[in-house]
Amino acid sequence: KNQVEQSPQSLIILEGKNCTLQCNYTVSPFSNLRWYKQDTGRGPVSLTIMTFSENTKSNGRYTATLDADTKQSSLHITASQLSDSASYICVVRRGAGGGNKLTFGTGTQLKVEL
Amino acid sequence: EAGVTQFPSHSVIEKGQTVTLRCDPISGHDNLYWYRRVMGKEIKFLLHFVKESKQDESGMPNNRFLAERTGGTYSTLKVQPAELEDSGVYFCASSHHASGSSVNEQFFGPGTRLTVL
Repeated sequence: KNQVEQSPQSLIILEGKNCTLQCNYTVSPFSNLRWYKQDTGRGPVSLTIMTFSENTKSNGRYTATLDADTKQSSLHITASQLSDSASYICVVRRGAGGGNKLTFGTGTQLKVEL
Repeated sequence: EAGVTQFPSHSVIEKGQTVTLRCDPISGHDNLYWYRRVMGKEIKFLLHFVKESKQDESGMPNNRFLAERTGGTYSTLKVQPAELEDSGVYFCASSHHASGSSVNEQFFGPGTRLTVL
């Protein structure tokens, strides 16, 4: 079954601290993996997109890693800010044999506090 | 450049009623997608338009859901008659690249929160 599992389900950290969110997937065939940030009441916004050959990609304070062999990804947030409070969703795009569809995780709800 | 817009932002209806959701994609984007997030669950694919044609509607739950994209611009998603389990947030997304492209970045709208009582 094509699935994307994320951990932890929720996380509370203090402003300025770092954190790492995890994603494991069983989606096949694999095309790429995306991390989205979704603020309350808004739609998901893409942070990074990584293909099979990429094992790390950064976007400002966000750094995503991908291990296609173990089918794991992580999103590391450095020096967190209050505005980082949001849901972070790991999404895997299936390849042509899978209809090019996106498979979503349930997200990690991050809260950054003072 | 305006992003993907959706209307209404919220809708509360009674079981058995009809509701129509609208999505305006980013101008020039041929690909338009509908997704749904039921409370506590992950976002799931409903269907994909390429211009005015339905490319993939394998995620549509049942025949109470009807999506259209006349003229290949905006799209509507009608639920008739609505049931309790249809409650959730309906997202629309659009992309410029062909769906076969490895990137195919999709831009999401803010969603329509549908509550069926």
